[in-house]
Amino acid sequence: DAKTTQPNSMESNEEEPVHLPCNHSTISGTDYIHWYRQLPSQGPEYVIHGLTSNVNNRMASLAIAEDRKSSTLILHRATLRDAAVYYCILRDSRLSNFGNEKLTFGTGTRLTIIP
Amino acid sequence: DAGITQSPRHKVTETGTPVTLRCHQTENHRYMYWYRQDPGHGLRLIHYSYGVKDTDKGEVSDGYSVSRSKTEDFLLTLESATSSQTSVYFCAIRFLRRTSGQEGGYTFGSGTRLTVV
Repeated sequence: DAKTTQPNSMESNEEEPVHLPCNHSTISGTDYIHWYRQLPSQGPEYVIHGLTSNVNNRMASLAIAEDRKSSTLILHRATLRDAAVYYCILRDSRLSNFGNEKLTFGTGTRLTIIP
Repeated sequence: DAGITQSPRHKVTETGTPVTLRCHQTENHRYMYWYRQDPGHGLRLIHYSYGVKDTDKGEVSDGYSVSRSKTEDFLLTLESATSSQTSVYFCAIRFLRRTSGQEGGYTFGSGTRLTVV
């Protein structure tokens, strides 16, 4: 399984942008890049995903390197409610019709927001 | 929101007793999953289902069984609970994009905190 590497922790000031990096040097051409976050005492929450092009939604932006070996989750203006563990995950789209893929969650990046 | 409900939210049980956790969804999603989360291990897949009565094992399935007799319900059973099964259990569904039906993501329930004493 393709693996991802993330920093264990990051800090950011409130109301400033946050760039969360993820390395996935062994990514295959059929792997989607997913990001989830987990707030304290809650289940993981879907944030965004992409394949090759940069993606934007109401929660965040996903910037994908041209060679796809790394990506960055961008929170444009961090709030205290964004303090969470952020997971970068690869999902093989070839398994979409079988459901037998497993999301491999690593230990993620613990994001602390400083008021 | 996929309308996922897990029950119970908390449970304490004794070693050797059977325990069943329930995951209920309201939007007719085909794929459902059970994960456990432990400190230092992240989330690990226990079992998953790709349809009614269609289930398969994940990476940590020993000591667990599942059943899916209806689309909306996915049950996880610990036949004889052990202390090593003390964990937080999450149910998840896989959703598709509403607009295109293409690759979507996963929605997780709020979790069941199980303590085996």
